[in-house]
Amino acid sequence: GAVVSQHPSWVICKSGTSVKIECRSLDFQATTMFWYRQFPKQSLMLMATSNEGSKATYEQGVEKDKFLINHASLTLSTLTVTSAHPEDSSFYICSADWGVDLHFGNGTRLTVT
Amino acid sequence: KQEVTQIPAALSVPEGENLVLNCSFTDSAIYNLQWFRQDPGKGLTSLLLIQSSQREQTSGRLNASLDKSSGRSTLYIAASQPGDSATYLCAVTTINFNKFYFGSGTKLNVKP
Repeated sequence: GAVVSQHPSWVICKSGTSVKIECRSLDFQATTMFWYRQFPKQSLMLMATSNEGSKATYEQGVEKDKFLINHASLTLSTLTVTSAHPEDSSFYICSADWGVDLHFGNGTRLTVT
Repeated sequence: KQEVTQIPAALSVPEGENLVLNCSFTDSAIYNLQWFRQDPGKGLTSLLLIQSSQREQTSGRLNASLDKSSGRSTLYIAASQPGDSATYLCAVTTINFNKFYFGSGTKLNVKP
């Protein structure tokens, strides 16, 4: 149990366009989901905490108007990278609360050309 | 602010060797500590979870210890195999369990 599905697994987009990444908890309800970003050779960095039915909490330095998070249901959170730029190219991973453990999606590799 | 450090950054060992990965954190007020494995381009796989009240956890060939007072954890891998090659990350959660702090990882290569 406790499977987190993330889609798409990889995406290439042109600079200036927007990209939406979905994170779904398949067999449990998650009131809280987390979005991370990982640049090459660096650690995962928490971007924001997504709370079902309320606004996301963003970490310092993360632009909330650029990285739009929506957690409209207990099984789905979405991250939209708006007006993407090449420097947004990264590996994005979501995780969801389940008990005292976190379960992670397989990540989305975003390449902005 | 919590800082998590992992040493070494990279490690290459021959198959069959026992090895130790180190993780240290600056704020001992943690809720739990987890060790993860990350394969290239993939998400994280949770290996071991140690609650702040525990000293160690074991799963198969893996053993993780926690010394909260000194801010240290070790991941011991016995009889390493090429399939163990991956990046290993440790992460601590805050007392109110709303944030994870990750180390930068140890990249392990086990040579056949």
